[in-house]
Amino acid sequence: GENVEQHPSTLSVQEGDSAVIKCTYSDSASNYFPWYKQELGKRPQLIIDIRSNVGEKKDQRIAVTLNKTAKHFSLHITETQPEDSAVYFCAAMGYRNSGYALNFGKGTSLLVTP
Amino acid sequence: ETGVTQTPRHLVMGMTNKKSLKCEQHLGHNAMYWYKQSAKKPLELMFVYNFKEQTENNSVPSRFSPECPNSSHLFLHLHTLQPEDSALYLCASSQEGTGYNEQFFGPGTRLTVL
Repeated sequence: GENVEQHPSTLSVQEGDSAVIKCTYSDSASNYFPWYKQELGKRPQLIIDIRSNVGEKKDQRIAVTLNKTAKHFSLHITETQPEDSAVYFCAAMGYRNSGYALNFGKGTSLLVTP
Repeated sequence: ETGVTQTPRHLVMGMTNKKSLKCEQHLGHNAMYWYKQSAKKPLELMFVYNFKEQTENNSVPSRFSPECPNSSHLFLHLHTLQPEDSALYLCASSQEGTGYNEQFFGPGTRLTVL
């Protein structure tokens, strides 16, 4: 089955700096890679996703890159702000048993200090 | 509330109690999921239902019993739980069929087993 590794587990940056979170996956058939943000005490929410037919996607300060050959994808946050502080989860969508399911990484706790 | 709702939001139970968690999605989705989120193992997939049929049982102990009476409702029946079962239980839903499916999470039920 799919195995998603996520690094680092914790990340501390100063406001205005960039943050990068990296994930690798094992199933070459995985074709959809979402990123979720979970603020303290709240539910995970999708912030950006990328499909296997593109290599990069941007949405304002957030970007995701995908390297299918190497089976890794990364989240890039530029000009970080204190409200970016949260736990970020990467995931890879693969076919399991008789349906699709997301396999999540273990999360990265990002702290942005003013 | 729209989207995915869960009740109760908090639950404290003894090891001999029987309780049920409820999830309802108002998005017209055809797949629903139960996740367990704890400090040690974030976002563990427990069960997957596609079109009301269970398609995934991720080696979950039998003291957790899911029920999906229709595509909008999902239950998790709990009995003779252990203290290590204390965690946040998240429900999610998605529209299956393409493999590019954003999962929408509910707010979760914070379960404490005494």
